[in-house]
Amino acid sequence: DIQMTQSPSTLSASVGDRVTITCRASQSISSWLAWYQQKPGKAPKLLIYKASSLESGVPSRFSGSGSGTEFTLTISSLQPDDFATYYCQQYNSYSGTFGPGTKVDIK
Amino acid sequence: QITLKESGPTLVKPTQTLTLTCTFSGFSLSTSGVGVGWIRQPPGKALEWLALIYWDDDKRYSPSLKSRLTITKDTSKNQVVLTMTNMDPVDTATYYCALNRDPGIYRYWGQGTLVTVSS
Repeated sequence: DIQMTQSPSTLSASVGDRVTITCRASQSISSWLAWYQQKPGKAPKLLIYKASSLESGVPSRFSGSGSGTEFTLTISSLQPDDFATYYCQQYNSYSGTFGPGTKVDIK
Repeated sequence: QITLKESGPTLVKPTQTLTLTCTFSGFSLSTSGVGVGWIRQPPGKALEWLALIYWDDDKRYSPSLKSRLTITKDTSKNQVVLTMTNMDPVDTATYYCALNRDPGIYRYWGQGTLVTVSS
């Protein structure tokens, strides 16, 4: 079973900061990786799929990169609406394993 | 417009079986490539993928929970049902169903339903 890790687990940042979150897979997943944003009490929202494809309607300040086992989600200029928890998810194997999440909070 | 909604008990006792229903609209589970998955989230914790059923009745389960899970579909009712046996307090979580139409990606989610396991 493919395991996913994320770092950091918590990130304190200010509006306007450039933020990078890393996700690692226990084995190669090619580019079969998605990123989700979740706010308290809400369902996750798809941001990025296939490692770097931006979901329709998602602001261009979000970007994804990577392949194989290491991936990153970057927010180029953090906005007030971006304070949330971010999850990566692999979909290379039939089970869509999620990472443990990264909480982005206000510094 | 695609919508999904989870329904089921809010409280179950330890050792009981949980049955959750996902009722959806805006797509058909008889369309090639379409699947509906279940994901849960214990309070304050991470998302955990549970199970997925495809249009052709192919079923996939989390390896760690496979022995306790059953997923079925009723295409005519636009419903997917998840059963989980031998519930334990650690299974307390919000349970989500979600559309899997682009392989592996969950673009549409239900609002989630909180299930508490307690005697």
